Amino acid sequence: DAKTTQPNSMESNEEEPVHLPCNHSTISGTDYIHWYRQLPSQGPEYVIHGLTSNVNNRMASLAIAEDRKSSTLILHRATLRDAAVYYCILRGVPRQLTFGSGTQLTVLP
Amino acid sequence: EAGVAQSPRYKIIEKRQSVAFWCNPISGHATLYWYQQILGQGPKLLIQFQNNGVVDDSQLPKDRFSAERLKGVDSTLKIQPAKLEDSAVYLCASSYFGKAYEQYFGPGTRLTVT
Repeated sequence: DAKTTQPNSMESNEEEPVHLPCNHSTISGTDYIHWYRQLPSQGPEYVIHGLTSNVNNRMASLAIAEDRKSSTLILHRATLRDAAVYYCILRGVPRQLTFGSGTQLTVLP
Repeated sequence: EAGVAQSPRYKIIEKRQSVAFWCNPISGHATLYWYQQILGQGPKLLIQFQNNGVVDDSQLPKDRFSAERLKGVDSTLKIQPAKLEDSAVYLCASSYFGKAYEQYFGPGTRLTVT
């Protein structure tokens, strides 16, 4: 499976936008980019996914580089409840989700 | 919509004992997954069921771990005998058939093996 690289940790101020980067230089043409997050003491939660075009949903936006070798998860206004580990995952069909270590996001009041 | 239910939430056992975890997926979800999450790491898939059939169990340590989903709904994961390195959170997830990108996870069972 293609590998993703994320920063171990990031900090953000409450009510400010957050840009969480992910590098995936060995991505293949059929790999989807998924983001999950895991709040403390909970199971992971689906956030968003995309293939080539930028995607928006009620939780976040996903910006995918034109060469698809990197992507950015954008939280438009961080709240304290967004403090979590964010996982960037590549998934080809029909392969499974393979979680890495993710980025620990701390939101400061 | 009720979420994925798991029990127990916590379990402490001694090494070489056996333990079982139960999962009830979201109604209508044909696909069920068991993950193991060791402290500080991301979840690792152990086994995936499609209805009551196994789709992928390539990372399940079959000498000590077993899982079943007899009626295509509830599932049980068993460890026998447990080792110290089995201490982890065991997560159950489910998804609609064909929508594996959107998995719904339960709260997990935290297992401590002493």
